Amino acid sequence: EAGVAQSPRYKIIEKRQSVAFWCNPISGHATLYWYQQILGQGPKLLIQFQNNGVVDDSQLPKDRFSAERLKGVDSTLKIQPAKLEDSAVYLCASSRQGSSPLHFGNGTRLTVT
Amino acid sequence: AQTVTQSQPEMSVQEAETVTLSCTYDTSENNYYLFWYKQPPSRQMILVIRQEAYKQQNATENRFSVNFQKAAKSFSLKISDSQLGDTAMYFCAFMRDNAGNMLTFGGGTRLMVKP
Repeated sequence: EAGVAQSPRYKIIEKRQSVAFWCNPISGHATLYWYQQILGQGPKLLIQFQNNGVVDDSQLPKDRFSAERLKGVDSTLKIQPAKLEDSAVYLCASSRQGSSPLHFGNGTRLTVT
Repeated sequence: AQTVTQSQPEMSVQEAETVTLSCTYDTSENNYYLFWYKQPPSRQMILVIRQEAYKQQNATENRFSVNFQKAAKSFSLKISDSQLGDTAMYFCAFMRDNAGNMLTFGGGTRLMVKP
């Protein structure tokens, strides 16, 4: 089966600009996650979707970050406006259901200058 | 809240030898899951091994095994017969039971396998 697809692979923007990341989960996976991994740290969960509904977004900085999962398949994560501290790898993951094994994509490395 | 601590930022091992990576965690939960993930330069997180807290038997996956000490809240990973392809970042992770894959990760250990 095809894995979790993410794009772009790399993105460089200036602070105060906006950026969007895209994720296509494995077909049939109902649950989708966005993680932020700052250099030298472990990933931190930003948001979890079950189909097209949000399960948990308690660690999402909602003043600048937003995410959606239209039609319960693809998802986009947006940052507007970006700050220097948003420089990180953004990982998308999916699972067939909440307790099934997680499958991760290759992530998007964001650099904010 | 749960915390996961990996006290070894970097480790190295000679090819074919054995290495142990340490992980400790803090939780008040009784039912939970522990994981070790591998992250090579491709950045994709790959599940190495999983342990259910209610199981006393330590999990084993080929060359990878864990030493799970529930009372001590310790969860170490042993890699036997290390291979060059094992070079990667390794992350320990915790998940509460019924938490829907909401993982808490440690800070990671960079492992280098030397030829």
